[in-house]
Amino acid sequence: ELKVEQNPLFLSMQEGKNYTIYCNYSTTSDRLYWYRQDPGKSLESLFVLLSNGAVKQEGRLMASLDTKARLSTLHITAAVHDLSATYFCAVDMENKLVFGAGTILRVKS
Amino acid sequence: NAGVTQTPKFRILKIGQSMTLQCTQDMNHNYMYWYRQDPGMGLKLIYYSVGAGITDKGEVPNGYNVSRSTTEDFPLRLELAAPSQTSVYFCAIQGDPVEAFFGQGTRLTVV
Repeated sequence: ELKVEQNPLFLSMQEGKNYTIYCNYSTTSDRLYWYRQDPGKSLESLFVLLSNGAVKQEGRLMASLDTKARLSTLHITAAVHDLSATYFCAVDMENKLVFGAGTILRVKS
Repeated sequence: NAGVTQTPKFRILKIGQSMTLQCTQDMNHNYMYWYRQDPGMGLKLIYYSVGAGITDKGEVPNGYNVSRSTTEDFPLRLELAAPSQTSVYFCAIQGDPVEAFFGQGTRLTVV
């Protein structure tokens, strides 16, 4: 059974600081997704990582995938308040997504 | 979200009542999914479908049923609502490339 673990589960950051969210998973997969969810809203796709070594960047967010280590990271650079949200990673297992519990990110000014 | 429409957005049910959550897509994707999200948690897969006429159970199927008579529609049926089914339900589609798109969600309360 595929298990997906995110850490930390809660992250309080100062504006302008950098931090990384980690996503570990238990069985082989080479497809990993990152989503953002604002309170009371649906999930918004951030990144799709489809191979070992994949790195994608959008604004202050950068995601990477190491399939050998079964690890993905979401790096936040110079955080701003607008990044406050819950971030989920999800791993593809035979075309079904298994989600982590989510990381609640709060950026304080 | 673009291409995936869920109805209703909110619903309150009494214990033992039944209802159908509707999901319709206009992107012609084969893969469709139903997830539930409990407060402060990630999403868990209830049922999924790889095409019209084909459905299968996910991680938490008990208390639910689905059907897929067309590519566009993937309704989720609750037959005997229980308080444990209070949750937010998301329908999702997945195509090629493999990005998944989610509907706006249905917030269900069972009292």
